[in-house]
Amino acid sequence: DIQMTQSPSSLSASVGDRVTITCRASQGISNYLAWYQQKPGKVPKLLIYAASTLQSGVPSRFSGSGSGTDFTLTISSLQPEDVATFYCQKYNTAPFTFGPGTKVDVK
Amino acid sequence: EVQLVESGGGLVQPGGSLRLSCAASGFPFSNYAMNWVRQAPGKGLEWVSVISGSGDSTYYADSVKGRFTVSRDNSKNTLYLQMNSLRAEDTAIYYCARIAAANTHAEIDYWGQGTLVTVSS
Repeated sequence: DIQMTQSPSSLSASVGDRVTITCRASQGISNYLAWYQQKPGKVPKLLIYAASTLQSGVPSRFSGSGSGTDFTLTISSLQPEDVATFYCQKYNTAPFTFGPGTKVDVK
Repeated sequence: EVQLVESGGGLVQPGGSLRLSCAASGFPFSNYAMNWVRQAPGKGLEWVSVISGSGDSTYYADSVKGRFTVSRDNSKNTLYLQMNSLRAEDTAIYYCARIAAANTHAEIDYWGQGTLVTVSS
């Protein structure tokens, strides 16, 4: 099975900072990758699909890139409401594994 | 408005069984594949199972294969997860989640609020 890793596991940044989260697949998955945001005590929310397509209604400060094995989620200007854990998920073939998550805090 | 409402969670002894349900509304249910995703307390998301819109394709995580069975009744707009031989490590919030396509190879675009399953003696 393809394994998904994320780095870092956690980060703390200031409001307005550019934040980058990396997701890596152990084998190529083309662009079958989604990013989700889960705020504390809340249900996950889709941010990005097909590696780089912004879900409707998601702020444009979020962007995704990558293909094959290496992917990134970027928050161009971190806002206080972005405090959350971010997960990547592959969906090219089963199992549709999630990454372990990256917890983002605001300093 | 898309709504996914899970039910059936609760406390069960190790080795026991439980059936979760997810009532869907606000969209043509049979046109969408559906997932079960779980989250143990304080842990990350774990994909559990998926079923295609027609119900003819199903897949499972290795951790539940042979113990859990996903099914759907498109006439009732309801998704099910039959969980047998439950273990302590199955303790989690179980989310019903819609996939943005009839086939299984797409992202999750809607999530239910989840139902808590606790496996303990």
